[in-house]
Amino acid sequence: KAGVTQTPRYLIKTRGQQVTLSCSPISGHRSVSWYQQTPGQGLQFLFEYFSETQRNKGNFPGRFSGRQFSNSRSEMNVSTLELGDSALYLCASSRSGGEKLFFGSGTQLSVL
Amino acid sequence: QKEVEQNSGPLSVPEGAIASLNCTYSDRGSQSFFWYRQYSGKSPELIMFIYSNGDKEDGRFTAQLNKASQYVSLLIRDSQPSDSATYLCAVKHNNNDMRFGAGTRLTVKP
Repeated sequence: KAGVTQTPRYLIKTRGQQVTLSCSPISGHRSVSWYQQTPGQGLQFLFEYFSETQRNKGNFPGRFSGRQFSNSRSEMNVSTLELGDSALYLCASSRSGGEKLFFGSGTQLSVL
Repeated sequence: QKEVEQNSGPLSVPEGAIASLNCTYSDRGSQSFFWYRQYSGKSPELIMFIYSNGDKEDGRFTAQLNKASQYVSLLIRDSQPSDSATYLCAVKHNNNDMRFGAGTRLTVKP
């Protein structure tokens, strides 16, 4: 069974640009969660999607948005990038949410 | 107050010793608790989960939960250098989202 796939693996952007990250969950998993990881901060919860609906949202500004498609694949978008957005963005899938999470390899975003 | 708190460490133990990792949480209604291990440069992977008060053992790992004290811990017996990693405590809230602590970095010295 294929794992969680995130693309791209690395991204370098400049301030003010926008970026879209992609996540393909494990087959059969309908919940996709997104996390931001920075040194010393651990995993900060961004949002969770289930059956194409955003079910939960963390404390991030509106510049961070996401969506989920009918095949459960999810995208995350960050607009008007700031230097502080530099981080590892992890996607995790689970069958129905709030249970055992399976993580992708992450997208390392650098904002210059 | 952070929702899930862990000592950031680093925690250093000699090979063969017991490593004890602790976590407290603020949401008294939380029902499910998880421990993830993250090696440097890798993604977190689930190693233990516990739902009921008491102990749960899996090989060298034991998870302990005390809901009255809002406390969950992970014991690693006979620690090995390969156990050196960051251990993340995660708590499932009633609304189904999973919140993580900042992690405790463990080093097992040969």
